[in-house]
Amino acid sequence: AQSVTQLDSQVPVFEEAPVELRCNYSSSVSVYLFWYVQYPNQGLQLLLKYLSGSTLVESINGFEAEFNKSQTSFHLRKPSVHISDTAEYFCAVSDRRNGNQFYFGTGTSLTVIP
Amino acid sequence: NAGVTQTPKFQVLKTGQSMTLQCAQDMNHEYMSWYRQDPGMGLRLIHYSVGAGITDQGEVPNGYNVSRSTTEDFPLRLLSAAPSQTSVYFCASTRTGGSGTQYFGPGTRLTVL
Repeated sequence: AQSVTQLDSQVPVFEEAPVELRCNYSSSVSVYLFWYVQYPNQGLQLLLKYLSGSTLVESINGFEAEFNKSQTSFHLRKPSVHISDTAEYFCAVSDRRNGNQFYFGTGTSLTVIP
Repeated sequence: NAGVTQTPKFQVLKTGQSMTLQCAQDMNHEYMSWYRQDPGMGLRLIHYSVGAGITDQGEVPNGYNVSRSTTEDFPLRLLSAAPSQTSVYFCASTRTGGSGTQYFGPGTRLTVL
């Protein structure tokens, strides 16, 4: 089974500052990688995903993540955060060989400070 | 499309009671899953289904049953509720399995006294 580690449980950052949320996964086998966002009292929504091709993937609201196979990482970045980015962020992985299960990290709570 | 719907939104049970959490999707997705979300533990997979009539266990299946008689519905049954099952439960569906985007319902907040 896969395991996903999100190294920071809480990340406070000032508005318009850059942020990086870290994610590492356990296996060196081929994987699909995802970032989901959860706003208060809501379900999770897909932010971005890596399936194949370019290792840098972007979301429509300015987030990006880079797949690094050698470091088994998929860190999420944004160059300038907004108040509306305050939310819980989850990294997730599924195995390409047996893709019926998704494994989630414990989440990172991002708080943007005005 | 309504997407993924879950009922009820809130539920309080006494230890030993049973209940069914309902989940339905109208996107004709083959894959459906149930997760529980606990503080500091992220989402953990309870059961999943890759199509009508096919279910399998996830990471934390004990104390829960599922069935998938139709593509649309995937109910989760708590057989004899325990305080350890106090959690927020999310249902999700995806069209293409491991490479697909999961669509989540709004969740059911369950408290077992």
